[in-house]
Amino acid sequence: GESVGLHLPTLSVQEGDNSIINCAYSNSASDYFIWYKQESGKGPQFIIDIRSNMDKRQGQRVTVLLNKTVKHLSLQIAATQPGDSAVYFCAERGVDSNYQLIWGAGTKLIIKP
Amino acid sequence: DAGVTQSPTHLIKTRGQQVTLRCSPKSGHDTVSWYQQALGQGPQFIFQYYEEEERQRGNFPDRFSGHQFPNYSSELNVNALLLGDSALYLCASSLVGMNTEAFFGQGTRLTVV
Repeated sequence: GESVGLHLPTLSVQEGDNSIINCAYSNSASDYFIWYKQESGKGPQFIIDIRSNMDKRQGQRVTVLLNKTVKHLSLQIAATQPGDSAVYFCAERGVDSNYQLIWGAGTKLIIKP
Repeated sequence: DAGVTQSPTHLIKTRGQQVTLRCSPKSGHDTVSWYQQALGQGPQFIFQYYEEEERQRGNFPDRFSGHQFPNYSSELNVNALLLGDSALYLCASSLVGMNTEAFFGQGTRLTVV
């Protein structure tokens, strides 16, 4: 079935550098995408979202890019900090999936001191 | 402003037993979704409740049932527990409508032995 997936299960980044986490999706009917951060022992925390009529959206230290041509989503974190260590999930919601979010497996971000 | 609260935080049950998990949505939210998250994986949608009705259901057996109360709080019930039901159960609340950000609770860690 169609699903959201992530290219890399683990990403190690030097503190202070920028991080880029990638996500591929296969459902062309998806029109809304969300990035979540999940720290150990906690529920997912909303980071940023983007609708399919946009290519880019910026938040505080984070930017989400959407490339509908190749069905690719990325999350950029500027000046990565130790508190950014977590598992990052992309999720999609499609017009044909009604109300449920479809999640990828996640990317674990490790910050090196 | 209280966020999404779930109870209990941890639970150990024996195979074959029944369990009830509870969720109080974020203030002002009227929609509750339940997800199952196995270790190292992304959350899997179980079902969503709005106006005390199940609005959509994921690929889960009838052993999984739920309820939403007039105050928008919700319960997830699982009958005839299997070892494979061991997971983190997450509740998310949102406002009615497809493209709205969902806030998650901390989850209930269920262990079936």
